[in-house]
Amino acid sequence: DAGVTQSPTHLIKTRGQQVTLRCSPKSGHDTVSWYQQALGQGPQFIFQYYEEEERQRGNFPDRFSGHQFPNYSSELNVNALLLGDSALYLCASSLAQGSGNTIYFGEGSWLTVV
Amino acid sequence: AQSVTQLGSHVSVSEGALVLLRCNYSSSVPPYLFWYVQYPNQGLQLLLKYTSAATLVKGINGFEAEFKKSETSFHLTKPSAHMSDAAEYFCAVSRRTNAGKSTFGDGTTLTVKP
Repeated sequence: DAGVTQSPTHLIKTRGQQVTLRCSPKSGHDTVSWYQQALGQGPQFIFQYYEEEERQRGNFPDRFSGHQFPNYSSELNVNALLLGDSALYLCASSLAQGSGNTIYFGEGSWLTVV
Repeated sequence: AQSVTQLGSHVSVSEGALVLLRCNYSSSVPPYLFWYVQYPNQGLQLLLKYTSAATLVKGINGFEAEFKKSETSFHLTKPSAHMSDAAEYFCAVSRRTNAGKSTFGDGTTLTVKP
């Protein structure tokens, strides 16, 4: 049973560029949440997708957008990259109901903006 | 709104000594509480979670935590530290209706001395 998988694992982008990160949730899970973890800090909630719609959103600008596909996989898009967007981006999957609300994290995508 | 405060950004113990990592939370609704461990360059691994059943929660690798509502605390303990316990530890809180949207503390780095 595959867990949460994320791609790419590492990438380097230039300021002003756009980036797309991808996430496949754990088998059977229907909800995907995205987090940003800056160096030396705890993860911060970006947004959550369920039934292909953004269900919850944290305090992040509109440059951060996402999408969920019918197979429950998800993408995180960041436009007009800033140096401060350099971070580990974590995807977490869960079931909307049941399972004691356990969430599973992927290994993350390391984004460096230069 | 929910928040987490982890007291002590760095904790150092000797191998075999008691591990105590402190976490205090704030929540306007009954919460779920979690402890995660993060090894260098890896994602988050769930150690244990409190979901309103027993207040003393046992997790993996010999860790346990006690939910104390009166003190709004959820401290993590392990009777005897092992070298492999050296890592970053995060406490997190969420609403019971949506664990996917968790609020994390800033983390505590645990160092284990031989």
